[in-house]
Amino acid sequence: EAGVAQSPRYKIIEKRQSVAFWCNPISGHATLYWYQQILGQGPKLLIQFQNNGVVDDSQLPKDRFSAERLKGVDSTLKIQPAKLEDSAVYLCASSPLKGGKRNTIYFGEGSWLTVV
Amino acid sequence: GEDVEQSLFLSVREGDSSVINCTYTDSSSTYLYWYKQEPGAGLQLLTYIFSNMDMKQDQRLTVLLNKKDKHLSLRIADTQTGDSAIYFCAERRGDDKIIFGKGTRLHILP
Repeated sequence: EAGVAQSPRYKIIEKRQSVAFWCNPISGHATLYWYQQILGQGPKLLIQFQNNGVVDDSQLPKDRFSAERLKGVDSTLKIQPAKLEDSAVYLCASSPLKGGKRNTIYFGEGSWLTVV
Repeated sequence: GEDVEQSLFLSVREGDSSVINCTYTDSSSTYLYWYKQEPGAGLQLLTYIFSNMDMKQDQRLTVLLNKKDKHLSLRIADTQTGDSAIYFCAERRGDDKIIFGKGTRLHILP
């Protein structure tokens, strides 16, 4: 079974520029998460989708971050304009809605962002 | 408290047992998780335990859950160099949010 795919793996941008990250969840997983992991900290949930609807975006800085999952499969996370404090790893994760694995979430390798 | 708490570092000799501790926040949490993160990689699910259990064993891994104290531990038997990583504790709260600790960096001594 293919895992959660993310791209790009690494990105370096200047502050005030924009960046977009892409995620393809595990096939059939209805729930998709974007987490932000700052160096030395645990992952923090930015947004959670169920199919193409938003379940929780309470910690998403909506003045600069946006995310969409238009067809209920792939998702993109955009940052515009980026700030220095956005330097982090952006982790995409997915989980199924039903079945024995519905209470586990599976992570991708992450997209490493450095803002200079 | 509001945070999932873990000690930041643990050093263990190869072949000994490692015990990583975690204190979580919500008495109505349904699932507690342990994830492993190696350098440059994403989080790998190691094991999880349902809140109505007090122990789960999976090969070299033993999870102990004390609901009264909201304390979770992960024991790794016969620790190997490949176990060197950051270990994250996480809870699925009653509101279904999953909250992570800051991670415990496990260092293996030769």
